[in-house]
Amino acid sequence: QTVVTQEPSLTVSPGGTVTLTCASSTGAVTSDYYPNWFQQKPGQAPRALIYSTTNKHSWTPARFSGSLLGGKAALTLSGVQPEDEAEYYCLLYYADAWVFGGGTRLTVL
Amino acid sequence: EVQLVESGGGLVQPGGSLRLSCAASGFTFTSYWMSWLRQAPGKGLEWVANINQDGTEKYYVDSVKGRFTISRDNAKNSLYLQINSLRAEDTALYYCARFRPFDYWGQGTLVIVSS
Repeated sequence: QTVVTQEPSLTVSPGGTVTLTCASSTGAVTSDYYPNWFQQKPGQAPRALIYSTTNKHSWTPARFSGSLLGGKAALTLSGVQPEDEAEYYCLLYYADAWVFGGGTRLTVL
Repeated sequence: EVQLVESGGGLVQPGGSLRLSCAASGFTFTSYWMSWLRQAPGKGLEWVANINQDGTEKYYVDSVKGRFTISRDNAKNSLYLQINSLRAEDTALYYCARFRPFDYWGQGTLVIVSS
């Protein structure tokens, strides 16, 4: 049973920087896991932010960036805005199957 | 504008069946893999199934193999999920998404499994 682990919650001040991480129970996350990141606000469908580790969708704000960090996938928000308060999910690829992390609740305070 | 509209959800008894549909518009449906994902109430996201452009390749999460079947009708720009032998743990909001990957999502259709 593959488990993808994210921080359950993080808090950041407006204008600050925060990094969310995504770890795999199978070992280090590499680009071969095609990490994806999604944002979900209450009552809304998820919105795709990042695909294949670092690539942004056309609607992804510039303050969001994806990377690999210390054997994990990472999502960094620089210059956090109040509207960034949301649940963030990572998604990893495992041989024809995809597994989500449990989500990180980001509070902007 | 890409649009994905799910339908077919509802209240069903354990052991029952449903067929979910997803109507796609605003893009060339035949060019894309498509996906179903779900989210149990108050819980996280779960990938359920993928299907390739012509329906010849299908992949499922282990928990639904043998019970769920993903399919598509390219003439109707539609994606389907046949769900059989429903269990309480299948209760969720079911989303369809374009696999590009998972760039566009619908608003979901709710399946409730309860007696």
